[in-house]
Amino acid sequence: GAGVSQSPRYKVAKRGQDVALRCDPISGHVSLFWYQQALGQGPEFLTYFQNEAQLDKSGLPSDRFFAERPEGSVSTLKIQRTQQEDSAVYLCASSLRDSNTEAFFGQGTRLTVV
Amino acid sequence: DAKTTQPNSMESNEEEPVHLPCNHSTISGTDYIHWYRQLPSQGPEYVIHGLTSNVNNRMASLAIAEDRKSSTLILHRATLRDAAVYYCILGEVNNDMRFGAGTRLTVKP
Repeated sequence: GAGVSQSPRYKVAKRGQDVALRCDPISGHVSLFWYQQALGQGPEFLTYFQNEAQLDKSGLPSDRFFAERPEGSVSTLKIQRTQQEDSAVYLCASSLRDSNTEAFFGQGTRLTVV
Repeated sequence: DAKTTQPNSMESNEEEPVHLPCNHSTISGTDYIHWYRQLPSQGPEYVIHGLTSNVNNRMASLAIAEDRKSSTLILHRATLRDAAVYYCILGEVNNDMRFGAGTRLTVKP
């Protein structure tokens, strides 16, 4: 498919477990964004990559959250020692050049921490 | 961070035009104005964006005030499929995009 792909679509984790969420952006897209969306809320910015460089990680809520994009394409968002408040939909988006070109979003990964 | 203000919700009748307002009084000269919408259980979808001039595309029109402190997204003929949360976002080049709470649009048949 030509769109942004996220996996898994659904993840149930026990509290304290580590999780890794994957994002496959559209091929050739330079910019990649991660967002967290709680039920009934707008997406909250987590972090932004331009190629492999993480230009902004100010939205990561704690040091339990870590994102990487080592080769400038696929990105992984890792959450260590998950807590119930981490339950949310995690959205990934990519855009061709900078953040002022159209961003394409994936369907998201719904994480439920029990 | 530059911020936007939108009404929490709006209603429209099907096949009528809809004007969704957004205030961004602290906008800087290099901030673009982006609009995205999110249908239920889906990721956000790009609608339109602009800098200074009004913009049109197949989905909508974007009217930007002369002082750029406000803008209006115009859906020319609302359909039931346009029911969604609409987000107005300011973005600088090489910077992140931060969403607000958006406007929930309800379209009545």
